Amino acid sequence: GNSVTQMEGPVTLSEEAFLTINCTYTATGYPSLFWYVQYPGEGLQLLLKATKADDKGSNKGFEATYRKETTSFHLEKGSVQVSDSAVYFCALSDRRGATNKLIFGTGTLLAVQP
Amino acid sequence: EAGVTQFPSHSVIEKGQTVTLRCDPISGHDNLYWYRRVMGKEIKFLLHFVKESKQDESGMPNNRFLAERTGGTYSTLKVQPAELEDSGVYFCASSQGRGDNYEQYFGPGTRLTVT
Repeated sequence: GNSVTQMEGPVTLSEEAFLTINCTYTATGYPSLFWYVQYPGEGLQLLLKATKADDKGSNKGFEATYRKETTSFHLEKGSVQVSDSAVYFCALSDRRGATNKLIFGTGTLLAVQP
Repeated sequence: EAGVTQFPSHSVIEKGQTVTLRCDPISGHDNLYWYRRVMGKEIKFLLHFVKESKQDESGMPNNRFLAERTGGTYSTLKVQPAELEDSGVYFCASSQGRGDNYEQYFGPGTRLTVT
């Protein structure tokens, strides 16, 4: 079945460091791919998405490229800030049936230190 | 515009008791989803409403879980009787439509602890 695998955390970085959080997926067909972020005490927020191969999603300095050949959607940011500390979830949309439910990875906790 | 709200934010109950979680979607959103995250694992889909109808309940773990959405507005998720493995964070999300062009907006979640 469809699934998402993302790197385990926690990931601890110093401010202004480069961030990569790996995400790979298994899916039937060509799902859309998403990164959601959960800041402390808040709900999940959509960070970025890509709907087809080679698309690049970007938002708030974060980027991820839909790579069909490697079935990956790695999240990157060139210079992290303390305010980026959160849990990041990679997800895909399961288009089988009429629900369009999201399938998530386990989440990666990012802690950015000043 | 108010976002998705969930109540309570945290519930602690004993094994065998009943708990009811509530979700108020964004006004006008016909689609309502329930998900849960157990013990730091992945967030898993539970079920999907379109208005008051259950579109897909394939993720409901067993018959101790009952979800309703009377009138197509708010939704409740009842766990009866609760077991230890039901502990986790229950998220609700709503969207205006189905399909990848319609963002699912999530609530802050209800943390359920069964002791």
